[in-house]
Amino acid sequence: AQSVTQPDIHITVSEGASLELRCNYSYGATPYLFWYVQSPGQGLQLLLKYFSGDTLVQGIKGFEAEFKRSQSSFNLRKPSVHWSDAAEYFCAVGGPLITGGGNKLTFGTGTQLKVEL
Amino acid sequence: NAGVMQNPRHLVRRRGQEARLRCSPMKGHSHVYWYRQLPEEGLKFMVYLQKENIIDESGMPKERFSAEFPKEGPSILRIQQVVRGDSAAYFCASSQREGTDTQYFGPGTRLTVL
Repeated sequence: AQSVTQPDIHITVSEGASLELRCNYSYGATPYLFWYVQSPGQGLQLLLKYFSGDTLVQGIKGFEAEFKRSQSSFNLRKPSVHWSDAAEYFCAVGGPLITGGGNKLTFGTGTQLKVEL
Repeated sequence: NAGVMQNPRHLVRRRGQEARLRCSPMKGHSHVYWYRQLPEEGLKFMVYLQKENIIDESGMPKERFSAEFPKEGPSILRIQQVVRGDSAAYFCASSQREGTDTQYFGPGTRLTVL
């Protein structure tokens, strides 16, 4: 069964500091990996995704993530955090269960990011 | 191109009533997923539908919950005889193709059961 672990429930960083949010996954085949961001009371916005190819993927808002198969990780990074980045971040893993079976996503429990000014 | 639309955004029901949640996918998308987010938890997959077909309902509770995606109109998630434990945010996502295609999420419906 697929699963996602986000070990940090809350993270606080100062504005302008670098950020790394951890994500570890368990999946029986090559995973499809995603990072979403959720602002309070809002839906989820896709930050970036990894399907194949280059293991360092660039996303929106200056975020990037690196897929490391040996560590089963897909950590999210940003070199300089802005106050508007305060939100909850979800890592997700997916992949077609069967041909024609869609792409059911399994989410981590999220990391709440607080940005201090 | 409008995003995924969900309504209502907030829904209050008393125990035993029915809740109907609607989801209109993005234009050109024929694949719909429903997820539930309980307080302090991540999203949990409930059901995956294509037009007029339920493809995967492995995450749906066996009783009281049903979903449909008719040929015309929005996808509907229906919860009969709601209980307090059904209080959650329900998110719909749509994609253009199956498989690896990216899912785009709606703003969610926040259901409160009194």
